[in-house]
Amino acid sequence: DGGITQSPKYLFRKEGQNVTLSCEQNLNHDAMYWYRQDPGQGLRLIYYSQIVNDFQKGDIAEGYSVSREKKESFPLTVTSAQKNPTAFYLCASSIVGRGRSNQPQHFGDGTRLSIL
Amino acid sequence: GDSVTQMEGPVTLSEEAFLTINCTYTATGYPSLFWYVQYPGEGLQLLLKATKADDKGSNKGFEATYRKETTSFHLEKGSVQVSDSAVYFCALRGSARQLTFGSGTQLTVLP
Repeated sequence: DGGITQSPKYLFRKEGQNVTLSCEQNLNHDAMYWYRQDPGQGLRLIYYSQIVNDFQKGDIAEGYSVSREKKESFPLTVTSAQKNPTAFYLCASSIVGRGRSNQPQHFGDGTRLSIL
Repeated sequence: GDSVTQMEGPVTLSEEAFLTINCTYTATGYPSLFWYVQYPGEGLQLLLKATKADDKGSNKGFEATYRKETTSFHLEKGSVQVSDSAVYFCALRGSARQLTFGSGTQLTVLP
């Protein structure tokens, strides 16, 4: 079955450490997204990519970095510059194209990041 | 910019009660509207969508109608079940092609 796989499900970070969250999709979607979810809040967009080797900052990109070397993969690195990284991180993907604004995003099951 | 305002929770209902979760939006042009559901510890799943005015999205007994005159997309279900307990998010995709989410509404259904 096609879908989005995020790993690991739980991740712990020490102070001053960078960590990378994995996101892989086999839906053949062009666009991929990273969101951060905090308790009682909606999702906030960190980064998104609509094509390989290209990505744009979302609303809260500071302290994060991404790469898009393959269509299927969009890893997110939480750097030591992100001072409050404890959150639930969700990866999503969607079809892109003219007249495709009504296409929904498909989500992975998320990675919960905590600080040790 | 685009924004979504959702009814604040948490909402607690008894099984078989009627559910309404209010959602209003601000956007330029003609956005597409979505409801997503999130079960504990999981990602978001698309529940239903509507792409133009007066469209009604429906799925699993849930319905929502795209009302352009009131800029609303309220979620309704006639008879909720315990298994409907989850967090519900209203979202829109506007001209920027990015999804804008509401803050989510926690629903708990008691047997």
